[in-house]
Amino acid sequence: AQSVAQPEDQVNVAEGNPLTVKCTYSVSGNPYLFWYVQYPNRGLQFLLKYITGDNLVKGSYGFEAEFNKSQTSFHLKKPSALVSDSALYFCAVRWPYNTDKLIFGTGTRLQVFP
Amino acid sequence: DAGVTQSPTHLIKTRGQQVTLRCSPKSGHDTVSWYQQALGQGPQFIFQYYEEEERQRGNFPDRFSGHQFPNYSSELNVNALLLGDSALYLCASSSPTSGGETQYFGPGTRLLVL
Repeated sequence: AQSVAQPEDQVNVAEGNPLTVKCTYSVSGNPYLFWYVQYPNRGLQFLLKYITGDNLVKGSYGFEAEFNKSQTSFHLKKPSALVSDSALYFCAVRWPYNTDKLIFGTGTRLQVFP
Repeated sequence: DAGVTQSPTHLIKTRGQQVTLRCSPKSGHDTVSWYQQALGQGPQFIFQYYEEEERQRGNFPDRFSGHQFPNYSSELNVNALLLGDSALYLCASSSPTSGGETQYFGPGTRLLVL
């Protein structure tokens, strides 16, 4: 079955340090990959996506993600974390064959400490 | 440019009642998807509407139904509410037929079933 895994429930990082939020997916063709962020009592905000091409994609607010096909991973990264980055992050996958639905991971809570 | 809007923001119902949630897509988008996000979970796909028809459906019972209007706005209806239907309901819009792979989410409607 198609699935997405976010192995860490929470990631803690000091402000100014680099951050990584991990995401892996089950193998099935060439999926589209997305990252969304959710602030308390808010909907999901789109950060970035990988469709094809360069494995390193850049998105909003200084975030970037690296697609690794051999490891079926799409980790979210930022070189220098801000306290305001503290939020819930979701990885999502779409298999573009007769389906538009997104399959989400369970989310990773990022806590950036001053 | 208005983003995706949803109404109401919050709703309290009792078991057995029926509820209708509403969504207006982002300008230029013709496809609306609905997701259910239970507390502490990632969003789960309910269904997607395009050209006023349900194009795809997730693993939800028939108590969940929807509609799309000619102006692309959409409604989600849930009949015979159960306690387990308490969740944040998210609407997302996109325009996949125009090459728009990204789904943009609204702020959600938080439903509490007592």
